[in-house]
Parts: sequence; C-alpha cells; structure tokens
Amino acid sequence: EVQLVESGGGLVQPGRSLRLSCAASGFTFDDYAMHWVRQAPGKGLEWVSGISWNSGSIGYADSVKGRFTISRDNAKNSLYLQMNSLRAEDTALYYCAKARYFDWLDSSLDYWGQGTLVTVSS
Amino acid sequence: QSALTQPPSVSGSPGQSVTISCTGTSSDVGSYNRVSWYQQPPGTAPKLMIYEVSNRPSGVPDRFSGSKSGNTASLTISGLQAEDEADYYCSSYTSSSTHVVFGGGTKLTVL
Repeated sequence: EVQLVESGGGLVQPGRSLRLSCAASGFTFDDYAMHWVRQAPGKGLEWVSGISWNSGSIGYADSVKGRFTISRDNAKNSLYLQMNSLRAEDTALYYCAKARYFDWLDSSLDYWGQGTLVTVSS
Repeated sequence: QSALTQPPSVSGSPGQSVTISCTGTSSDVGSYNRVSWYQQPPGTAPKLMIYEVSNRPSGVPDRFSGSKSGNTASLTISGLQAEDEADYYCSSYTSSSTHVVFGGGTKLTVL
C-alpha cells in the first residue's frame, strides 16, 4: 500500500524558514517523480514544486521561485521542501504527492499524503 | 484567479449525469493532453480520477469519463451517487513558467 506521510509543518513568523518532509513507502520511490501541492484554508489547490526521479529536473511555481527548494533522498525514500522567507500567503496545508511517471512534467498525481499545515503569522 | 476556469458549483439528482468544464488556453489545455481531474471530499486529500484527458486509474468507476475539445476539458459523471458529492479540480501542464496549473475547483452537490 502506497503511503505518503508529511511532517514539519507548524506556526512560523513571516520571514522565517521551515523544512517539510515526506516519508514514502509501498512503492519504488526512485522510479517516480514527486510533487508538493498546497491548499490555503477554504481555497483551491495550488501546485508548488516538482522533482524528477533522479533530481535531474526540478520546477517551481512562480509564487515560490527563489524562496522554496525541493529535494529528495532516494536512499531514505524521502521528499523535502525547504521554505525560506515565508509570507502570510504561504499559509496552507502542504501535500506531498506521487507522480505517475519518472518525469515531473507529467503532472498526474496518483497518490497524495494527508498534508501538513503551515501557518505563517506573527 | 486560477489559470484554469471551472464553474464554482454544479448539482444533479441521483442517477443523473453532470459535466464539469475546465477552460484554459492554447498554452495549456489546448496544446497538451496532460489534463487530470481530482476528487476531494470534505476534509480529505485529493484523489486522481482522470489522467491524460480521458484515462481512468485502476479502481475509478467507469461512471467517470474525461474529454477535451479545443481549450476546454470536461469531466462527466454519469449515474450520480451520493458518494460523488465532493470538490473536483482539473489540472494541466502549461508552457508558462509556472509549469502546472489547477482550476479553481467545482463543488458537486448530489440533490
């Protein structure tokens, strides 16, 4: 059974940093691209970032480019999101999601975690 | 404002069919077959229902179908059931610098 478990969320002040983690199990992690998608309270889904199976290709939404960094450790079956210079508008539930293929440009996400909540507030 | 446009809400009675539209541009829906649809019941994570415009993942009922014409993709749910009540989101690859875009979501109410 595919499982994706996010962690690392919490309350953080504007301008500070936070690192999210996603522990994957139940599939061959290094065969697939992975993504982060967020959902602000009461709002719709927003794609944040994607990374290919071998970290060779990475993409970011314009809204987080230059502030967020996605990475993965295939030996640990883990995905990460380093979030710097956080803003109030980054407040959201952050989902880790598995892609159907190895290339993150194929954005069909067939398994999702339950999310970790990030709140940016002073 | 979302890059893909969906109606805020649709409704139907049990057994009926409903169609949810997703309108983009020639930079996304119109040029690529990388359109997906997700179902999100309240308080739960999204679930992939359709990928690559019209393909269903294993386990998704064949009551769910997808199509595309020009810059508009559509999700049709036939034989509506109470359990179909949820928010539905479309997404697409885009040639813009943002790469992946979602629609604003459509709330489906089963009357």
